[in-house]
This record gives sequence, structure tokens and C-alpha cells, in this order.
Amino acid sequence: GENVEQHPSTLSVQEGDSAVIKCTYSDSASNYFPWYKQELGKGPQLIIDIRSNVGEKKDQRIAVTLNKTAKHFSLHITETQPEDSAVYFCAAPSGSQGNLIFGKGTKLSVKP
Amino acid sequence: ETGVTQSPTHLIKTRGQQVTLRCSSQSGHNTVSWYQQALGQGPQFIFQYYREEENGRGNFPPRFSGLQFPNYSSELNVNALELDDSALYLCASSQGAGEMTYEQYFGPGTRLTVT
Repeated sequence: GENVEQHPSTLSVQEGDSAVIKCTYSDSASNYFPWYKQELGKGPQLIIDIRSNVGEKKDQRIAVTLNKTAKHFSLHITETQPEDSAVYFCAAPSGSQGNLIFGKGTKLSVKP
Repeated sequence: ETGVTQSPTHLIKTRGQQVTLRCSSQSGHNTVSWYQQALGQGPQFIFQYYREEENGRGNFPPRFSGLQFPNYSSELNVNALELDDSALYLCASSQGAGEMTYEQYFGPGTRLTVT
């Protein structure tokens, strides 16, 4: 089955800097890769996703890149703001059942 | 458009008791997935319901069971509660089944504490 590894587990940046979180997956058949943001006391919020037919996708200050050959994908946040502070999770699908396998999360802290 | 809602928000139960958690899916979605999130961990898949039938199950014992109703809302039932069942229980809704259902939207969760 699918295995997802996420790094780093914690990341601290200054406001305005960029942040990058990386994930690797094991199943070469996986074709959908979402990123979730989870604030304290809330459920995960889908912030961006990418399918395996594209290599990069952008939405304002966030972007996701996918390297199918190396089986890794990354979340890029530019011009970070204090409200970007949260735990970020990457995920990949597990087989054909439709469920997601999540990484262990990255706690991002943006210091003003 | 109405998002995913869950009830109750918080719940405290005693070991050995039974609990029922509820979820209403996002408007237009017909699939519901349940996840368990332990403190400091990513969500773990419990099971998924599509067209009122279980459509996949993770590595959870049979005392975790569920239902989906004709309006696509869902319940998660846990019998014989154990201390390790203390976690945030998340419901996610999506459209369709199989690969179509990967795009999942989560509710706020129910925080279950077992004492």
C-alpha cells in the first residue's frame, strides 16, 4: 500500500520569507496529491492539490510541484504571513478505495 | 454552499461505553469518509460510505461501525470504548467513488475523550 513521508516536522520562518515542505510517496500509480492546512482546534482545510498530469500548480502565494520520477511533491508558500502558521499535511491516495494516506504533518510557525 | 458539519463538538465517555458521532456532508457530495486523528498525528482512514454501503475500510476493529443515510449524512459508532480511542474524529465528504472521491473536504471534527 501507499506510504507517505513528510519533512520537516517543524519549520520556523520570518514573516515575508518562503517556506517549503516536502513529501515522498511509494506507490507509482498514485495520481492525486492534496495539501491540507489544519489550524488549532479545526479540521484540515484543503488548500491546493495537484494531479499527476501536471508538474506544477499555483494559487496566489501557494504552489505545489510534483516530480513523478522521484515520487515526491512539495508545497511552496511565498511571502509568508503570521496567519500561515498552522500544521500542514500532505496526502496521497491509497489504491482504488478512495481514501487518503496522510503524512505526519509539518508545524509551520511564521514569526512577525 | 453548506460545508461539512459534525456533532457533537466535544464528548467525554467512560471506558466500555458506546458512542455515536454524526456528520452531514457538503452540499452535492454523496460520499463520506471517516478518519481518526490522534494528537500530533495525521488523520488515519477508518472507512468510507458511498450509496449507503461501506466502500472501503482501514485497519480498525469491528467495534468501529458506520451508517450512511439516503440524504448522504453519516454516523460513526464505536462500541466498548478504550482509552486509546481518545482522538479527534473527522468526517470528510466527496463526490463519487474510487478515484473520483480523492478530493475530500473535512468537517471540524468531534473531540472524543475516553476516561
